[in-house]
Amino acid sequence: EVQLVESGGGLAQPGGSLRLSCAASGFTFSSYSMNWVRQAPGKGLEWVSYISSSGSTIFYAGSVKGRFTISRDNAKNSLSLQMNSLRAEDTAVYFCARAYGGNSFFDFWGQGSLVTVSS
Amino acid sequence: DIQMTQSPSSLSASVGDRVTIACRASQSISNSLNWYQQKPGRAPKLLIYAASSLQSGAPSRFTGRGSGTDFTLTISSLQPEDFATYYCQQSFSPPYTFGQGTKLEIK
Repeated sequence: EVQLVESGGGLAQPGGSLRLSCAASGFTFSSYSMNWVRQAPGKGLEWVSYISSSGSTIFYAGSVKGRFTISRDNAKNSLSLQMNSLRAEDTAVYFCARAYGGNSFFDFWGQGSLVTVSS
Repeated sequence: DIQMTQSPSSLSASVGDRVTIACRASQSISNSLNWYQQKPGRAPKLLIYAASSLQSGAPSRFTGRGSGTDFTLTISSLQPEDFATYYCQQSFSPPYTFGQGTKLEIK
């Protein structure tokens, strides 16, 4: 069974940092691209970042570029999102999602991890 | 960036109704359009990928159509468990933008 479990969320101050992790199991992690998607309270879904299966290709949303860094450790079946210079508008539930196929649709999602940025 | 626009933003319907949600891309995305269902407090769930392919395990009452810039999701006969929010998403090019969502409510 495919499982994605996020951790690392919590409260951070504006300008501060947090690191989210996503532990993957039930599939060959190194064969799949991965993504982070977030959802602010009461709002819609916003794609945040993509990393290819090898880690060689990375994309970011404009709203986080230069502040967030996506990475993966295929030996540990783990995906990470380092979030720096946090802003109030980064407050959201962050989901990791597996991307499948050339069209890169998201076929499995984690349960989400809440990040709150507030003083 | 490719903008995705869904309509309507909300919809009231009854069990057994046939409903259609539209999604328009700001430029052609071929068939790189996916639909997700989300219930409150839960992660999104993939329903349709590549515009018209039904994800394994998704009920056959869900149908996706379209190509280029205009797409639709149709639920042929609403069931109580279908009341949720639906999102389209383009996977043609990054950033992989979502529509703003369509909230389907019980009439």
